[in-house]
Amino acid sequence: EAGVAQSPRYKIIEKRQSVAFWCNPISGHATLYWYQQILGQGPKLLIQFQNNGVVDDSQLPKDRFSAERLKGVDSTLKIQPAKLEDSAVYLCASSLAAAIMNTEAFFGQGTRLTVV
Amino acid sequence: QQQVKQSPQSLIVQKGGISIINCAYENTAFDYFPWYQQFPGKGPALLIAIRPDVSEKKEGRFTISFNKSAKQFSLHIMDSQPGDSATYFCAASIPPGGTSYGKLTFGQGTILTVHP
Repeated sequence: EAGVAQSPRYKIIEKRQSVAFWCNPISGHATLYWYQQILGQGPKLLIQFQNNGVVDDSQLPKDRFSAERLKGVDSTLKIQPAKLEDSAVYLCASSLAAAIMNTEAFFGQGTRLTVV
Repeated sequence: QQQVKQSPQSLIVQKGGISIINCAYENTAFDYFPWYQQFPGKGPALLIAIRPDVSEKKEGRFTISFNKSAKQFSLHIMDSQPGDSATYFCAASIPPGGTSYGKLTFGQGTILTVHP
C-alpha cells in the first residue's frame, strides 16, 4: 500500500513570497489533515478535510494560509505571503473515515519550509 | 483544555534499559491515545495506541499504561535498543460525533537516545 505522498521535500523562500505544498493521501482515505511542526515541538493541526469539505480550520492563519482538497483526493496548502515564523515542517496525514471510533492517521514525510 | 503535556523533553538510556515517557491531559472527552515515533526527516508513525476502557496495552517491547482517574498515560520501552533512538510523541483525540473528530492533539515530544 502506497503511503501519503508530499512534495516538495524542501523549500527555501524569502519572506513575503508565496509557496504551495502538495499532498496525495492514501487511496480511499476520506480524512486529510495538514499539520505544522515547528522545530522541537509536536505537530499542530492547521486544517482537517472530510472528503472535500473542511471540518476544522480553527488554527489556520486565514489571512495568509489557504488549503483546498479538490475532488476529495489531493490537497494543496498555500502560504501567501510567508513570514519568518512560518519556517517549519508541514505534514500531511490521512485516515479512513470512521463513524464509530478514531482510526490511525498515516503521515507523509513532510515538506521542510525555510523562510529567510 | 486541549493540551497534552509530555515529559521528559529528552531521555538517555543504556541499551537494555527501560525507557519511560509520561503524558498528562486535561480534556476528559479524549478517548483515543496513540503514541507516535518519529525519526529525523520522516513523518510520525503510529507505534501503539490505547482507548480508555483498558489500563494497559502491550505490543512487543512497547507498553502503554493508562490511568483514567489521574488523566495520565505513559509509554514504557523494555529492553531499549539503539534503533529505538527517535522522538516520541503522545497524542489524544476526541471521539466521532464532536467537531473534528480524529484531530490529534500532540504532546511536545521526547527525544530518546539509547546508548550501545
